[in-house]
Amino acid sequence: SAVISQKPSRDICQRGTSLTIQCQVDSQVTMMFWYRQQPGQSLTLIATANQGSEATYESGFVIDKFPISRPNLTFSTLTVSNMSPEDSSIYLCSVDLGREGIQYFGAGTRLSVL
Amino acid sequence: GENVEQHPSTLSVQEGDSAVIKCTYSDSASNYFPWYKQELGKRPQLIIDIRSNVGEKKDQRIAVTLNKTAKHFSLHITETQPEDSAVYFCAPHGGGADGLTFGKGTHLIIQP
Repeated sequence: SAVISQKPSRDICQRGTSLTIQCQVDSQVTMMFWYRQQPGQSLTLIATANQGSEATYESGFVIDKFPISRPNLTFSTLTVSNMSPEDSSIYLCSVDLGREGIQYFGAGTRLSVL
Repeated sequence: GENVEQHPSTLSVQEGDSAVIKCTYSDSASNYFPWYKQELGKRPQLIIDIRSNVGEKKDQRIAVTLNKTAKHFSLHITETQPEDSAVYFCAPHGGGADGLTFGKGTHLIIQP
């Protein structure tokens, strides 16, 4: 398994501002993923962050709204830009340890936008 | 992309009884079939998985069965206990380093 640290664990933000969420892993991983979980809903993949290349975004998610950085094999950030109340969700990072599909999740960032 | 359906959305069982949750998928290329458990306020955690070269896998009180022909797999929990109360998600996968497509989840409630 892996130890995944995600910060902040929660935040309350004003609309129009941006928040950057950090994800740190205790081992080098090629693939990191970012998910959104709206209240009472399932998880939806936002993007895949591969070190050394641009993130790949899923349908409905764009780089201007959710810019992602992947500076090295143990760290990634997701920024939620120009926030609105509809962005209130839990954001989770996950990693694939190269074991064919098994993913491990961070504890999530609970974001509330006022 | 993968179309995943999960049933039921809510399941209430008496403590000690069994629970079964079913996941149907569309992509015939899927070959990895995990179940994740998410307790309230916690992260999703893998509880059991199966690959397409086997039909059933057991781990103590939980089991997963796979019917690749019909494109569905099921989670079975026997002798349910209060700590089994959680939301369970399936996430059928092609087995490569891709992100997961989750089912909508099943809220399992264990009645004392």
